[in-house]
Amino acid sequence: DTGVSQDPRHKITKRGQNVTFRCDPISEHNRLYWYRQTLGQGPEFLTYFQNEAQLEKSRLLSDRFSAERPKGSFSTLEIQRTEQGDSAMYLCASSLGLQEQFFGPGTRLTVL
Amino acid sequence: KQEVTQIPAALSVPEGENLVLNCSFTDSAIYNLQWFRQDPGKGLTSLLLIQSSQREQTSGRLNASLDKSSGRSTLYIAASQPGDSATYLCAATGANSKLTFGKGITLSVRP
Repeated sequence: DTGVSQDPRHKITKRGQNVTFRCDPISEHNRLYWYRQTLGQGPEFLTYFQNEAQLEKSRLLSDRFSAERPKGSFSTLEIQRTEQGDSAMYLCASSLGLQEQFFGPGTRLTVL
Repeated sequence: KQEVTQIPAALSVPEGENLVLNCSFTDSAIYNLQWFRQDPGKGLTSLLLIQSSQREQTSGRLNASLDKSSGRSTLYIAASQPGDSATYLCAATGANSKLTFGKGITLSVRP
């Protein structure tokens, strides 16, 4: 399967814990995006990378959130000191330049 | 700031009906527009992408149109089937490549 993959698919954590999600993009894609989706809403942009450079961060991305894309391949999204409001589906997408974005299956986070 | 609207939020139709899903956006300076399908609890599947210079795109029973001047796009589904039941989202791509999504239309096709 050469699509976008995300790990884990589901994560349940207690408030205050740190969590880290991983995204593996389509191999030839140079852009990688993170979005967050809550129930009944469309996905909202969080941040994106072109190769290893993080080019834009949404105001939704508080100081507790950090994303990396070392070597321009896979990316990680870390949330520190999780809060109940962080419960959502975290979606990763990749693209070649400004072309079509392809999404992974998402990581569903539940903060108790 | 780009805003994307999809109305209605939900739609129920009998099998075999042709239907149109609407999407409107406020900023016509888009790079392209994508339509996605999302099944419950799943990720997004890209259906069609229309470049800003194009008027429409077709894939099988799906046809998407784009009118930048009026800020509208439509997704036409021909001969709907129960397997088409899902949430359909449209998203506008700005020059920074960020997708701005609507809230989606939840479609139910009754057998």
